[in-house]
Amino acid sequence: DAGVIQSPRHEVTEMGQEVTLRCKPISGHNSLFWYRQTMMRGLELLIYFNNNVPIDDSGMPEDRFSAKMPNASFSTLKIQPSEPRDSAVYFCASRSSRRSDSNQPQHFGDGTRLSIL
Amino acid sequence: LAKTTQPISMDSYEGQEVNITCSHNNIATNDYITWYQQFPSQGPRFIIQGYKTKVTNEVASLFIPADRKSSTLSLPRVSLSDTAVYYCLVVGRTYKYIFGTGTRLKVLA
Repeated sequence: DAGVIQSPRHEVTEMGQEVTLRCKPISGHNSLFWYRQTMMRGLELLIYFNNNVPIDDSGMPEDRFSAKMPNASFSTLKIQPSEPRDSAVYFCASRSSRRSDSNQPQHFGDGTRLSIL
Repeated sequence: LAKTTQPISMDSYEGQEVNITCSHNNIATNDYITWYQQFPSQGPRFIIQGYKTKVTNEVASLFIPADRKSSTLSLPRVSLSDTAVYYCLVVGRTYKYIFGTGTRLKVLA
């Protein structure tokens, strides 16, 4: 089975540019999560969706960050404009949160390493 | 929001059993406990999860006391390839999907 797929794996761009990170969750999973990981702050939950609807976006740093999930098989995390402090590894994870699949764990992608110069 | 607490780092030798304890004092009735392993340049990987007492699978055991305010991940006979960061994650109303700082385990030859 294919796992969570993230693209690109690496992104280097200049400050002020728009950055779009993409995620394809595992087929059949109905919850999707975006995390950011840095040495200083560890793994931070940015936002998560259930059935394509954002449930909790309290971790989104500021208005420059936005996330969408137009359908069950695709999500994007966009940063506009990007700043050097946004440099981090961004992870996407998915899980099934249906009652019939109680307590299913999250499955993580391998992340996008983002560097803002 | 509550956060779990773990030791920052641990060292062990190959062949030893390693126990990593996580504190989650504010765990709610329906919350459950999961553990993840993360290698450099990879996403966290699920190891084990449980609600109470003891759970065992092919790679680890999870011990949860009756009050559920802590949990202990036990890795039997570790090898060099078990060197990684281990995260405790309590899923539910209180902790939601917030990861703690993790425990950096270094296995020595």
